[in-house]
Amino acid sequence: AQSVTQPDIHITVSEGASLELRCNYSYGATPYLFWYVQSPGQGLQLLLKYFSGDTLVQGIKGFEAEFKRSQSSFNLRKPSVHWSDAAEYFCAVGLMEYGNKLVFGAGTILRVKS
Amino acid sequence: SQTIHQWPATLVQPVGSPLSLECTVEGTSNPNLYWYRQAAGRGLQLLFYSVGIGQISSEVPQNLSASRPQDRQFILSSKKLLLSDSGFYLCAWSVLGGEWGNTIYFGEGSWLTVV
Repeated sequence: AQSVTQPDIHITVSEGASLELRCNYSYGATPYLFWYVQSPGQGLQLLLKYFSGDTLVQGIKGFEAEFKRSQSSFNLRKPSVHWSDAAEYFCAVGLMEYGNKLVFGAGTILRVKS
Repeated sequence: SQTIHQWPATLVQPVGSPLSLECTVEGTSNPNLYWYRQAAGRGLQLLFYSVGIGQISSEVPQNLSASRPQDRQFILSSKKLLLSDSGFYLCAWSVLGGEWGNTIYFGEGSWLTVV
């Protein structure tokens, strides 16, 4: 069955430090992969997505992610974290053959300390 | 541009009362529509999705139902709420192909507290 694992429930980084959020997926076909961000009490905002092509994708707010097929991973990175990046981050795999549905990971809560 | 509206934003309902959450999408035609639920401290769970008017697929057995009376309208309902129905409900849409294709976009969500 399709699944997404985000092994870190919470991560705390200092403002200005680099960030990497991990995501591993289990899916039989070529995946469509997404990262979303959710601020408290709000909906989900799309950060970036990977469908095909260049395995390093750029997103909004200075985020990027790299697709590694051999590791079944799609880790999210940012070189310098800002306090406004504190939020919950969700990785998801798109099941296009099933009505374009998403399977989400459990999320990683990012805390930024000054 | 496409926009999604979801309401009410917040509601508190007693156990056993009915529920109706409504979602509409503007700026696109024949979207796929979705209802997700996010319970406290948990991830997102797909409840229903729809690929067209009157076409509803249920992902999990539950106390809820969904309807799509118009192309860009999606309604989540319950006849009798349970305490376990409390959570954050998110409506979402997607289209196949094109600039916005194959990506799911979310509304701002509705907080439901069942007391």
